[in-house]
Amino acid sequence: QIQLVQSGPEVKKPGASVKVACKASGYTFTSSGIMWVRKAPGQGLEWVGWISSSNGHSNQAPKFQGRVILTRDTASTTAFMELRDLRFDDTAVYYCARERAAGTFWPDPWGQGTLVTVSS
Amino acid sequence: EIVLTQSPATLSLSPGERATLSCRASQSVGHYLAWYQHRPGLAPRLLIYDASTRASGIPPRISGSGSGADFTLTISSLEPEDFAVYYCLQRGNWPHTFGGGTKVEIK
Repeated sequence: QIQLVQSGPEVKKPGASVKVACKASGYTFTSSGIMWVRKAPGQGLEWVGWISSSNGHSNQAPKFQGRVILTRDTASTTAFMELRDLRFDDTAVYYCARERAAGTFWPDPWGQGTLVTVSS
Repeated sequence: EIVLTQSPATLSLSPGERATLSCRASQSVGHYLAWYQHRPGLAPRLLIYDASTRASGIPPRISGSGSGADFTLTISSLEPEDFAVYYCLQRGNWPHTFGGGTKVEIK
C-alpha cells in the first residue's frame, strides 16, 4: 500500500536549519508530487509547499519563500523539506503527503509527521 | 492569497446528531475545495475532494456540497470516531490555503 515515512523528531536552535525527509513507497514515485503542511501547537494546518516528483518544480507559500527549500531524490524515492533561519514560531509538526493523482494537488495519504522544536 | 473562513469554530453535538460545517472563500475557487479530518496524534485524513467527491473508504454519511465561494460538509449522523477537527483546503489559486478549522466535540 502507499506509505510515506518521515524522519524523526528534531530539536534546533534559533537561526539553525532543519531538513526533514519523507520516504515514499507503494507507488511510482514520479507519478505524483509531494506536498508539505505544518501544524503548530494551538494553530490550524498551514500549507507550506509542493514539489513535482518528476521534474523537481516547486511552489511555496509566500511566507516561506527564501527560507524553505523543497527537493526530491528519485533514486531513493525520498522528498526533503529544508527550513532555514529557524524561529521559535517554526515549532510544529511537519507533514508530507502524496498528491492524490498528478495535477490534482490534493494531499492524500499523509506521512506520520515530524516534530521540529525550536528552542534556545 | 485566498482566505478560507470556517464556521462555527466549535460544534458541540451528541452521537447520532447531524453536523453541518461551513467553509467560505474570500474569492471563488470553483469546485477546487477539499475537506480533511484531523484527530489528535494521527495524520490528517482526506474526506472529500473537488467539493463533493468522497475519497476512498469514506462512508456515505459524510458528504460535501457547494461551489464558487460557499461550501458545506455534512455528517448526517455522528459516530464516536467523527469527533475531531475538520479543515477545508482550496487549490483554486496559488498558494493553496487551509481554513482555520472546526472542532466537533461531544456535547
